[in-house]
Amino acid sequence: ETGVTQTPRHLVMGMTNKKSLKCEQHLGHNAMYWYKQSAKKPLELMFVYNFKEQTENNSVPSRFSPECPNSSHLFLHLHTLQPEDSALYLCASSQQGTNEKLFFGSGTQLSVL
Amino acid sequence: EDQVTQSPEALRLQEGESSSLNCSYTVSGLRGLFWYRQDPGKGPEFLFTLYSAGEEKEKERLKATLTKKESFLHITAPKPEDSATYLCAVQDGNNRLAFGKGNQVVVIP
Repeated sequence: ETGVTQTPRHLVMGMTNKKSLKCEQHLGHNAMYWYKQSAKKPLELMFVYNFKEQTENNSVPSRFSPECPNSSHLFLHLHTLQPEDSALYLCASSQQGTNEKLFFGSGTQLSVL
Repeated sequence: EDQVTQSPEALRLQEGESSSLNCSYTVSGLRGLFWYRQDPGKGPEFLFTLYSAGEEKEKERLKATLTKKESFLHITAPKPEDSATYLCAVQDGNNRLAFGKGNQVVVIP
């Protein structure tokens, strides 16, 4: 596989469920990111990991919990979400954690009922 | 706070009808301006990085230019496969990235 792969592509969950989003990059990059994309809004940075250490948390509610076990894998654990959390969640990677030239996955379309 | 405004929000073009997309920005210490293309159901795909006023980059029918206040993405003789949403983003002196809402382009055969 090449590039950045995200699973699942689509997810529907209730507000009391717990689920996880997975991201894997095959580019040999050192930094990984979670972004949120809502309709009619700009892309919104959530978390940045550089060499598997979290370097940025953009004031994200604690119901979103990231995990980066190594430079190639990134998870986003979800629990007790709200309907307004419904969005496209995009994972990205870059050579360094400086937001330059991001490579994005296809995203997970999340619907919270 | 860094701000990025893209216009027009949506654009319908006839095949072959050239046009330009605008990205105006306010940023503290511009390090770079990025253009991405996003197709429906996919993540954004990197197109260009511009670093300083006067710089230009080209790729097939796309040409990006940069001034101190805005960037343009010119689409020359577009084809239906150029239909996409084009995202502009600016990187400030602290390496923070701010995206615009995008320009949605539809090219009609």
